Amino acid sequence: EAQVTQNPRYLITVTGKKLTVTCSQNMNHEYMSWYRQDPGLGLRQIYYSMNVEVTDKGDVPEGYKVSRKEKRNFPLILESPSPNQTSLYFCASSFVAGAETQYFGPGTRLLVL
Amino acid sequence: GQNIDQPTEMTATEGAIVQINCTYQTSGFNGLFWYQQHAGEAPTFLSYNVLDGLEEKGRFSSFLSRSKGYSYLLLKELQMKDSASYLCAVRVYSGNTPLVFGKGTRLSVIA
Repeated sequence: EAQVTQNPRYLITVTGKKLTVTCSQNMNHEYMSWYRQDPGLGLRQIYYSMNVEVTDKGDVPEGYKVSRKEKRNFPLILESPSPNQTSLYFCASSFVAGAETQYFGPGTRLLVL
Repeated sequence: GQNIDQPTEMTATEGAIVQINCTYQTSGFNGLFWYQQHAGEAPTFLSYNVLDGLEEKGRFSSFLSRSKGYSYLLLKELQMKDSASYLCAVRVYSGNTPLVFGKGTRLSVIA
């Protein structure tokens, strides 16, 4: 089954404790992206990747890192999480960035205390 | 900057028709997308318009006017399961560029 998976789905952590949210897709997509979604602000892009070893900042990259060592995986790293990073995070992928259909993962709900 | 406007909330009756509007002011335009998102779930793709006019897909239709920077999503024969947020998104530049999303419209379908 074609899908985008994220782990963990729910996470409670404390300020400053490094964490990684994994994202994996099995569709051989070139383009992958991370979004955060907050009430009243909609979906905002954090980072995106056009292909392996090619990443770029989105609208709200501060406090986040990403890597794209393999085509299927695009982890999101919070080196020192802060409470303002409490949010719902979505990973997405598509064949290319301009493709009509973008597939979203199920989301990761993060609470930083 | 890029600006995409949608109403925050709408309410409609089961069986009725509802139109959700989206206006955009962006530095470029290469397509407009509509996504549906149920509470706590991932967005799912509904429609894509790049030329002016109406695209119909079953109970859902989407319209685009590029000269007016305007689109709408039309939902017919509303069902309770259509209660969700509807996100308008614009591809601003050509080629491999990301989408810019509006804040979404939360639709409640009542009996």
